[in-house]
Amino acid sequence: GNSVTQMEGPVTLSEEAFLTINCTYTATGYPSLFWYVQYPGEGLQLLLKATKADDKGSNKGFEATYRKETTSFHLEKGSVQVSDSAVYFCALRSGYGQNFVFGPGTRLSVLP
Amino acid sequence: DTAVSQTPKYLVTQMGNDKSIKCEQNLGHDTMYWYKQDSKKFLKIMFSYNNKELIINETVPNRFSPKSPDKAHLNLHINSLELGDSAVYFCASSQAGEGGNEKLFFGSGTQLSVL
Repeated sequence: GNSVTQMEGPVTLSEEAFLTINCTYTATGYPSLFWYVQYPGEGLQLLLKATKADDKGSNKGFEATYRKETTSFHLEKGSVQVSDSAVYFCALRSGYGQNFVFGPGTRLSVLP
Repeated sequence: DTAVSQTPKYLVTQMGNDKSIKCEQNLGHDTMYWYKQDSKKFLKIMFSYNNKELIINETVPNRFSPKSPDKAHLNLHINSLELGDSAVYFCASSQAGEGGNEKLFFGSGTQLSVL
């Protein structure tokens, strides 16, 4: 079945540090890939997405590139801010009518 | 206007009670979901409805019963609450589209505490 694996957290960084959160997936066919972010006390929000191989999703300084050869969708940001502290979820959807499959989430804490 | 709204935000109740969580979306989406998030933030699909019809029903105890009176509403009723039901429950919606690239819109969650 389809699955998503993320690096375990928590990840603690200083402000302006470089961020990478690894995500790899197992899926049949050609899934769409997503990163969702959950701020404290809130629901998940879509951060970025990519729908086919080599696509790069980007938003709010975050980027992730759909790598089919390595089945990965790593999240990166060049300079994190305290306001980026949240839980980040990698997810996939394998096609129309299929369920969204989420990774276990990675908690990021950014210290001033 | 809130796109996906669920009530109540907090629910504290005794073991054995029956409770309901309501969800409404004003996005005109065809599909609605219930997810359960445990204390470690792991998110698990429970149910999915498309145009009022059940399309995903994961391994969830029969004590959980979703009801969709129309495509804008998906309520969750829980009978005989147990300690292990304590979690945050999220409602979500999405619009069907080709390529499977439609995105989920989440409510702000209902934190259920069973004492």
